Amino acid sequence: AQKVTQAQTEISVVEKEDVTLDCVYETRDTTYYLFWYKQPPSGELVFLIRRNSFDEQNEISGRYSWNFQKSTSSFNFTITASQVVDSAVYFCALIPLSSSNTGKLIFGQGTTLQVKP
Amino acid sequence: DAGVTQSPTHLIKTRGQQVTLRCSPKSGHDTVSWYQQALGQGPQFIFQYYEEEERQRGNFPDRFSGHQFPNYSSELNVNALLLGDSALYLCASSLMAGQYFGPGTRLTVT
Repeated sequence: AQKVTQAQTEISVVEKEDVTLDCVYETRDTTYYLFWYKQPPSGELVFLIRRNSFDEQNEISGRYSWNFQKSTSSFNFTITASQVVDSAVYFCALIPLSSSNTGKLIFGQGTTLQVKP
Repeated sequence: DAGVTQSPTHLIKTRGQQVTLRCSPKSGHDTVSWYQQALGQGPQFIFQYYEEEERQRGNFPDRFSGHQFPNYSSELNVNALLLGDSALYLCASSLMAGQYFGPGTRLTVT
């Protein structure tokens, strides 16, 4: 099965707290891409990051960081010192690369993050 | 550099009618994908167009059809609308792996 699971449906934190959004994926393919998107109330999906299956280096971008672990099939996303503007729905997604898949994104159900002032 | 654009922003249709949604990809992108996002759910893949051909399709009925034009823009057509077709329809464009989304068209079927 090719699947993305975001077990946390909703998370609520107070501003300046750190928060980690979990993502677990399943794929038979050895080559794949993983993504995180942010969806604010306006509805547009904002691209945050893409990682390929051969690059397990963790990445940091400002207050955002990502922890990719192939051994546990996880690609978790941490926001440090959260801000009210971080409130949104966050989606983890997978593109398994095979002859039958040329770029279909498989999304998780999303995690709603609420950051309270 | 304009990002992905979609029109219209909102649309209200009656059950049984037909609708056409439009998408212009990000400059330089040649592949367009369409997704349907029901309320409270993650987006579901409808189909993908490349070089004016449907390259891959998700689990959607034939009522959902599309087209890609030589300038890479795309249309999504839905015939015989059902109440369950009410959703946010998202277009994404890409050059290689990695997809950039437009703001979406919110379709309401009454």
